Amino acid sequence: QKEVEQNSGPLSVPEGAIASLNCTYSDRVSQSFFWYRQYSGKSPELIMSIYSNGDKEDGRFTAQLNKASQYVSLLIRDSQPSDSATYLCAVKERSSASKIIFGSGTRLSIRP
Amino acid sequence: SAVISQKPSRDICQRGTSLTIQCQVDSQVTMMFWYRQQPGQSLTLIATANQGSEATYESGFVIDKFPISRPNLTFSTLTVSNMSPEDSSIYLCSGWTGEKLFFGSGTQLSVL
Repeated sequence: QKEVEQNSGPLSVPEGAIASLNCTYSDRVSQSFFWYRQYSGKSPELIMSIYSNGDKEDGRFTAQLNKASQYVSLLIRDSQPSDSATYLCAVKERSSASKIIFGSGTRLSIRP
Repeated sequence: SAVISQKPSRDICQRGTSLTIQCQVDSQVTMMFWYRQQPGQSLTLIATANQGSEATYESGFVIDKFPISRPNLTFSTLTVSNMSPEDSSIYLCSGWTGEKLFFGSGTQLSVL
């Protein structure tokens, strides 16, 4: 069974520090990888998507993908209290008709 | 970016009854999915809503319990049938644009 694994946390990081979130996946044919942020009581919102090995930066966020090791990570620089949320890793196969599977999420808490 | 209108936002239902959740997307999407999220948990995929044909259900979910319709590219419904307290959860519809997955605001269902 295809799986997406994340540490549930909570991960506590001081304000201004770098938060590092990790995700591993079991299906080697996975091609598209996403990080979602979900505030309590709200729907998930897309932060980053990454498709190729290496790093992709967008503002304070950097997604890293290593297909050989089957992991994807999200770095949040200069963490802010507003970054406190649950971060969900999601994976999609190559096929255009394939579904998107979510990890269990990592709860991140930024302490002032 | 595209927007999904989902309703109702919440409902309290009696055991044995059924509830239909509606989702309307403001632009065409290639795929629509229905997820369930139980308190403190991640998203579990219920089914892929296929336009004009029967939905594709994930293991543990059946059409008799969760009938789904998708009459066109921008609209879908999920019915939770013969409800029991175990069906209490947040139900989320989502649309895939070909590049990203985005979500409706969710339906919080409580079954008494």
